[in-house]
Amino acid sequence: DGGITQSPKYLFRKEGQNVTLSCEQNLNHDAMYWYRQDPGQGLRLIYYSQIVNDFQKGDIAEGYSVSREKKESFPLTVTSAQKNPTAFYLCASSTMTGPQPQHFGDGTRLSIL
Amino acid sequence: AQKITQTQPGMFVQEKEAVTLDCTYDTSDPSYGLFWYKQPSSGEMIFLIYQGSYDQQNATEGRYSLNFQKARKSANLVISASQLGDSAMYFCAMRATTNAGKSTFGDGTTLTVKP
Repeated sequence: DGGITQSPKYLFRKEGQNVTLSCEQNLNHDAMYWYRQDPGQGLRLIYYSQIVNDFQKGDIAEGYSVSREKKESFPLTVTSAQKNPTAFYLCASSTMTGPQPQHFGDGTRLSIL
Repeated sequence: AQKITQTQPGMFVQEKEAVTLDCTYDTSDPSYGLFWYKQPSSGEMIFLIYQGSYDQQNATEGRYSLNFQKARKSANLVISASQLGDSAMYFCAMRATTNAGKSTFGDGTTLTVKP
């Protein structure tokens, strides 16, 4: 079955540490997205990518970095510069043509140790 | 710029009754899509229903229907015959065809279905 796989489901970060969240899709979608969700809140866009080797900042990119070396993969690194990283992170993908819905992974919950 | 407004932080409904979740939007793009997602407590985002800006009829998917009023820029979700499993957070979202594929989400409405 086609879908989006995020790993790990839970992740703990120590002070000063960078951590990387994985996102893989087999839907052959061109566009991929990373969102942050704080408890009881909506989704805020961190980064998005429309094509391999290209990506753009979203609304809250500071303290995060991404790469898009393969169409299927869009990993997110939460750097030590992100002072409040505790949140739920959702990866999504979609086609670029037509107003199609985004498909989401099951998310990664990141906490500070 | 696009904006989605969901004015109901929380809603309660009795089991088997219908409920309407409000959503208003703002965009200058003439071509866009409106979506509703369900997020249970486990966190995954489940796509429920879609309405295109040029669609003449309101979208329906099983117990879900979208009350689309273009002139009022509203896209309310109607859930008929509520079930306990409908308790979740619901997000309205919009995607304009000229906005690089990005979606804009509302802040969500938490629906609680009472037995």
